[in-house]
Amino acid sequence: QVTLKESGPGILQPSQTLSLTCTFSGFSLSTYGMGVGWIRQPSGKGLEWLANIWWDDDKYYNPSLKNRLTISKDTSNNQAFLKITNVDTADTATYYCARIPGYWYFDFWGPGTMVTVSS
Amino acid sequence: EIVLTQSPTTTAASPGEKVTITCLASSSVSNMYWYQQKSGASPKLLIYSTSSLASGVPDRFSGSGSGTSYSLTINTMEAEDAATYYCQQWSSNPLTFGSGTKLEIK
Repeated sequence: QVTLKESGPGILQPSQTLSLTCTFSGFSLSTYGMGVGWIRQPSGKGLEWLANIWWDDDKYYNPSLKNRLTISKDTSNNQAFLKITNVDTADTATYYCARIPGYWYFDFWGPGTMVTVSS
Repeated sequence: EIVLTQSPTTTAASPGEKVTITCLASSSVSNMYWYQQKSGASPKLLIYSTSSLASGVPDRFSGSGSGTSYSLTINTMEAEDAATYYCQQWSSNPLTFGSGTKLEIK
């Protein structure tokens, strides 16, 4: 079955770079049409889409954060990654990765990883 | 950017009651997607391509709409349906979510 799990540093300081890893199983990012996306959610607030990466290495970023985001993948190890540079307290959130099944939505989500930015 | 406005923001329903949540888009979209998020859990896909039920989702859930107006309906409310519901579009970049509708059980 399809599973995804996010991992991250838990806590980091303002101006640092946040590195997140999504480790998945049950599908391959080398399969035509498949993709993985990153979405975040501050505590008690709504969902904000960050970035997507596809099987052919095509990438889409949220323009509001584009200069700070880098998404990448390691197909052989079934992982996707997201880096956010120059974090501040507004980046404190739960970060989710989710599968894109070749269409324009997310059909499986990971449990999320909480990230706190604090000095 | 297409803004999705959900209504109501919060609502409550009794068991057996019909519930409708609306999502209005600031520009026309070709499809709408709906997610359910229970407290402390990750979002779960409910409806894709406006009206198709995701795998394992009870058939009391349904979706409809076109253009700029879409809705999610729960035909008969059950206690387990208490959650926050989000709509999502990806007809144009960036992908956007609605701000959510919190549904409580009376």
